[in-house]
Amino acid sequence: DAMVIQNPRYQVTQFGKPVTLSCSQTLNHNVMYWYQQKSSQAPKLLFHYYDKDFNNEADTPDNFQSRRPNTSFCFLDIRSPGLGDAAMYLCATTLTGFGNEKLFFGSGTQLSVL
Amino acid sequence: GQQVMQIPQYQHVQEGEDFTTYCNSSTTLSNIQWYKQRPGGHPVFLIQLVKSGEVKKQKRLTFQFGEAKKNSSLHITATQTTDVGTYFCAGTSGNTPLVFGKGTRLSVIA
Repeated sequence: DAMVIQNPRYQVTQFGKPVTLSCSQTLNHNVMYWYQQKSSQAPKLLFHYYDKDFNNEADTPDNFQSRRPNTSFCFLDIRSPGLGDAAMYLCATTLTGFGNEKLFFGSGTQLSVL
Repeated sequence: GQQVMQIPQYQHVQEGEDFTTYCNSSTTLSNIQWYKQRPGGHPVFLIQLVKSGEVKKQKRLTFQFGEAKKNSSLHITATQTTDVGTYFCAGTSGNTPLVFGKGTRLSVIA
């Protein structure tokens, strides 16, 4: 029944070693979001895709990239992870991206940087 | 840019006591949503408010949207240990992604 699936649940990487997090959805939603959530903080939007259109938040570091090869899948690439990038990364979807839609979140990937 | 402030940051209550968290926006909102995140979990949608002055109830939870559509509250009556978690409000002023408040972490002491 899982609708937004994130893999892996936990990811450990080394300082500066590229890492990719994945998200898939079975809802056929047009919009996919990536949020970064640090301990005891609110989810912070990094970017989102409306279909194939990429929308980057102004304060998202260049170190973070994203790919959406098809409707179902979206990837978050961290090119050179730093210690400050250790966080929970949440993928979410909505059908059309209008502000009155609820977000469907995946279970998240907890990233550790050693 | 749009900001959503939420207070308090933490709340510890005895089981059976009431709990309220408050949310304020720097701009007029078109709607506000509330999410609950259990420890170690992901945010789960609770409810959406759209109309000025709207009040909605879900069992022991009461949600309000201010007349000016710039503030909102979540009130839990007679808290239970299952209410433990962080409650986030999230709002938008139009067809832009939701902006989340910092959340209120609720602890319930049995």
